[in-house]
Amino acid sequence: QVQLVESGGGVVQPGRSLRLSCAASGFTFSTYGMHWVRQAPGRRLEWVAVIWYDGSNKYYADSVKGRFTISRDNSKDTLYLQMDSLGAEDTAMYFCARFAGNQWDSWGQGTLVTVSS
Amino acid sequence: QSVLTQPPSVSAAPGQKVTISCSGSSSNIGNNYVSWYQQLPGTAPKLLIYDNNKRPSGIPDRFSGSKSATSATLGITGLQTGDEADYYCAIWDSSLNIGVFGGGTKLTVL
Repeated sequence: QVQLVESGGGVVQPGRSLRLSCAASGFTFSTYGMHWVRQAPGRRLEWVAVIWYDGSNKYYADSVKGRFTISRDNSKDTLYLQMDSLGAEDTAMYFCARFAGNQWDSWGQGTLVTVSS
Repeated sequence: QSVLTQPPSVSAAPGQKVTISCSGSSSNIGNNYVSWYQQLPGTAPKLLIYDNNKRPSGIPDRFSGSKSATSATLGITGLQTGDEADYYCAIWDSSLNIGVFGGGTKLTVL
């Protein structure tokens, strides 16, 4: 079955960096676009970024553009999110999600990022 | 603030029916497929409806979706206490290459 497992979250000081990972299994990772979606405590889901199945295209929400970088290693079935210049507004649970057709059909359990001094 | 507007909360009694609206515009909902997600407390979102009105395997037919020109609706019949969750509509805007989620609706089954 499809499994997505995020890791790399934690407590980080404002202005610092963090890299999240999402290990995929149970499907052919290299044939799916992958996304990051986040959710601040008590808030709505917010789309963050997408990477095409082959890494050829990447798009970002305006709120993270220029600070976050999405990437993938299809040889390792792993998705990444490099987050730089973190601020308090980036505190959230970060979910990776598989994209199929026109929807996010599988989600990981999330990894919590807390930006605090 | 999302461009997809949902009511913050809805409620109904067990066994009853409820609908959750998702209001947008011709440029977002009108031009893209709508999907719906259920998020139980403390868990990841789960796909409920895709392509406006299709149910993934394993989703009971108590859940239904519809779409008009600028809005979409999620319907849930035969409400159960286990349906208490947050529900989100969403689109992938293929012209802008961005994902958009609604503000979410908290369902309470009284």
